[in-house]
Amino acid sequence: QLQLQESGPGLVKPSETLSLTCSVSGGSISSSGYYWGWIRQPPGKGLEWIGSIYDSGSTYYNPSLKSRVTISVDTSKNQISLKVNSVTAADTAVYYCARGWFRFDYWGQGTLVTVSS
Amino acid sequence: QSALTQPASVSGSPGQSITISCTGTSSDVGGYNYVSWYQQHPGKAPKLIIYDVNNRPSGVSNRFSGSKSGNTASLTISGLQAEDEADYHCSSYTSSNTGVFGGGTKLTVL
Repeated sequence: QLQLQESGPGLVKPSETLSLTCSVSGGSISSSGYYWGWIRQPPGKGLEWIGSIYDSGSTYYNPSLKSRVTISVDTSKNQISLKVNSVTAADTAVYYCARGWFRFDYWGQGTLVTVSS
Repeated sequence: QSALTQPASVSGSPGQSITISCTGTSSDVGGYNYVSWYQQHPGKAPKLIIYDVNNRPSGVSNRFSGSKSGNTASLTISGLQAEDEADYHCSSYTSSNTGVFGGGTKLTVL
């Protein structure tokens, strides 16, 4: 059974960089033939597609976040990472990693990241 | 890219059927048969219940069905049950090779 688990700081200061890791177990990212994505959900609001990465490393990003977001894959650790630069309060959300590009079939439990000084 | 448009809330009584709409443009919903629907209970991660407009993943009840007409996709839940009370989100592939979600709809079972 494929499992995904997000981890990272729960509190980030404004203007700093948000960094999260998604650890995948029960399957290998390397040569999986799948995309792996990040989605976020501000408190009380809907889901927002952040971006996705293929197992080879090619990426697609939400145009509204593209200038601040980097998604990478570490096949040796079976992990996917997300970095969001220059964060503001608007980046406060539950961040999910999931398997897929525009359609997601396996999800992590999510991790709340609050941007506050 | 703009979020897909969903009603904020819908409600129905047990045993009834309800339909949730999801409106986009010809650059997303209308242009591709890549609409998905997710069910999300409070404090939980979303669960994929419909993909590619009208396909159900293994294990999802056949009470859930999807359709599309033009730029609007729909999720229908028949034989409404108390456990169906949740938030429902639609999503679509877009012409920019990205994904986009709707704002979410809260379903209340009366």
